[in-house]
Amino acid sequence: GNSVTQMEGPVTLSEEAFLTINCTYTATGYPSLFWYVQYPGEGLQLLLKATKADDKGSNKGFEATYRKETTSFHLEKGSVQVSDSAVYFCARGDKIIFGKGTRLHILP
Amino acid sequence: DSGVTQTPKHLITATGQRVTLRCSPRSGDLSVYWYQQSLDQGLQFLIHYYNGEERAKGNILERFSAQQFPDLHSELNLSSLELGDSALYFCASSAGGLYGYTFGSGTRLTVV
Repeated sequence: GNSVTQMEGPVTLSEEAFLTINCTYTATGYPSLFWYVQYPGEGLQLLLKATKADDKGSNKGFEATYRKETTSFHLEKGSVQVSDSAVYFCARGDKIIFGKGTRLHILP
Repeated sequence: DSGVTQTPKHLITATGQRVTLRCSPRSGDLSVYWYQQSLDQGLQFLIHYYNGEERAKGNILERFSAQQFPDLHSELNLSSLELGDSALYFCASSAGGLYGYTFGSGTRLTVV
């Protein structure tokens, strides 16, 4: 099938903690993969992307590596900030498929 | 500013009424997508237009319809509104699957 599955939230961390939000996909090929972020009261913004296997996307301290062996695109950040509090969506580029979103709450 | 413009930002209307939401895509993007985001935060894909033609339909109700005009702006029409239609409606545009989607800031619809 064609789907994107991401870990359910909410995820609550303390400032400077390490973050991982899991995302796995099913596909017959190797679609482009994206992470979007939605800050409170705003639309979704593209956070990072990877267009082929083994690519690493990065932006604002966040990283995600396209791993075809595990069909995963997990989002990581080494030290989160209060301003990272938002909802994060994993998505495929070839199909109109988004994960259900993971709400992240960072405590000061 | 993402380059995708949605109007109006907020809309309050009564049950049974009809509303039109408008979206202007980012310059150069031929694809327009409409999504509904409910309180539980999930994004439901509604419909995709490419250069004026419908390309894909998601879980769009028969009471809802959309079109994309020659100038590439798009309208989403919602009729016979019900309380459960209250949600955020997002428009996104794209230049292709490799580039991802650029989202507008959404229209918040409240049906009372």
